[in-house]
Amino acid sequence: AQKITQTQPGMFVQEKEAVTLDCTYDTSDQSYGLFWYKQPSSGEMIFLIYQGSYDEQNATEGRYSLNFQKARKSANLVISASQLGDSAMYFCAMRQTTDSWGKLQFGAGTQVVVTP
Amino acid sequence: KAGVTQTPRYLIKTRGQQVTLSCSPISGHRSVSWYQQTPGQGLQFLFEYFSETQRNKGNFPGRFSGRQFSNSRSEMNVSTLELGDSALYLCASRPTSLETQYFGPGTRLLVL
Repeated sequence: AQKITQTQPGMFVQEKEAVTLDCTYDTSDQSYGLFWYKQPSSGEMIFLIYQGSYDEQNATEGRYSLNFQKARKSANLVISASQLGDSAMYFCAMRQTTDSWGKLQFGAGTQVVVTP
Repeated sequence: KAGVTQTPRYLIKTRGQQVTLSCSPISGHRSVSWYQQTPGQGLQFLFEYFSETQRNKGNFPGRFSGRQFSNSRSEMNVSTLELGDSALYLCASRPTSLETQYFGPGTRLLVL
């Protein structure tokens, strides 16, 4: 079965340091989309970054970058220069070719706590 | 542009009752998806509507249903509520030509 795996349930990060959140996925599709979302304690899911399976370059959005290694089926999120406001739950998600663009499968999430 | 809005934000119901949740997508977005988030099962896809048609449905019992109106607003209904239906229900919309979904603040449902 296709699925998303986030092996880090939680981590502490010092302010101003970089952090890498791991995500591996399993799919037999050639075309798929990978996403990262942030969920603060308020509950709203905030879109961070997207990577298409055919994109040759790693996606970047401000302090967020996605380390996409297609052969290893990994899509790790890198947050540079962590800020206190980055404390939240982070979810990796995937959309598969066989599914509608409106259907995402999510990993279990990684809780990040940024400390001063 | 205003973001995705969901009403109500919080809801308390008792077992056996039914509930209707509402979602207004970002202006111009015609696709609306619904997700259920629980501590035990995580985030699970419920269904997606596009131009008033259900495009995809997750693995949920028939008690969960939805619809979309001509203005793209969507509602989901849960009948005969069970304790396990207590969850955060998230709605997301996306533009037709892109696959990125933008989420609303969610509706927290507590079933007693």
